[in-house]
Amino acid sequence: NAGVTQTPKFRVLKTGQSMTLLCAQDMNHEYMYWYRQDPGMGLRLIHYSVGEGTTAKGEVPDGYNVSRLKKQNFLLGLESAAPSQTSVYFCASRKGGDEAFFGQGTRLTVV
Amino acid sequence: GEDVEQSLFLSVREGDSSVINCTYTDSSSTYLYWYKQEPGAGLQLLTYIFSNMDMKQDQRLTVLLNKKDKHLSLRIADTQTGDSAIYFCAEIYSGGYNKLIFGAGTRLAVHP
Repeated sequence: NAGVTQTPKFRVLKTGQSMTLLCAQDMNHEYMYWYRQDPGMGLRLIHYSVGEGTTAKGEVPDGYNVSRLKKQNFLLGLESAAPSQTSVYFCASRKGGDEAFFGQGTRLTVV
Repeated sequence: GEDVEQSLFLSVREGDSSVINCTYTDSSSTYLYWYKQEPGAGLQLLTYIFSNMDMKQDQRLTVLLNKKDKHLSLRIADTQTGDSAIYFCAEIYSGGYNKLIFGAGTRLAVHP
């Protein structure tokens, strides 16, 4: 039981490049979330999913897309990276009503 | 709309009690959480409280919930240097699809 696993852990992108962050959970959780964490701003919700095949926008969705084709995976895509997307990205999953389990984070730098 | 607010910094002396406060907007939130984040690490759940409770105690941690004022607090008794971290308050926002919304976090600094 690995919990929530994020890949990659670190990445440097050039402006305009694209990439996909993968979040995988092996706890059969329904809900999955992507956050970004910036100094002094806490965790801001980018997108989330309430089940396989569903996604919804969070507080800061612009510039990101997501997919939940399989229940255990939640992918976050950046089609054309911008320096403003330099951040630490966290994925979380939970069953209804229970605690949310977090991955260890992905540190992304866009230059 | 959904919003969770916390003060950004708290400094306490080792051995004293720490009280971290949080206000939230969704009166129908069912669960409210406290998470801890140590430097360079992910988030670790400390404790949570159901909306039908006023208080929850777990060893050195006491959570108080005032639903009327939408105010949540976390008290850490006998604060230790190992408690230095960022503490996040979070709510399940029932207004839309079980969004899990976080505050900006309170940085707790414990000094000798």
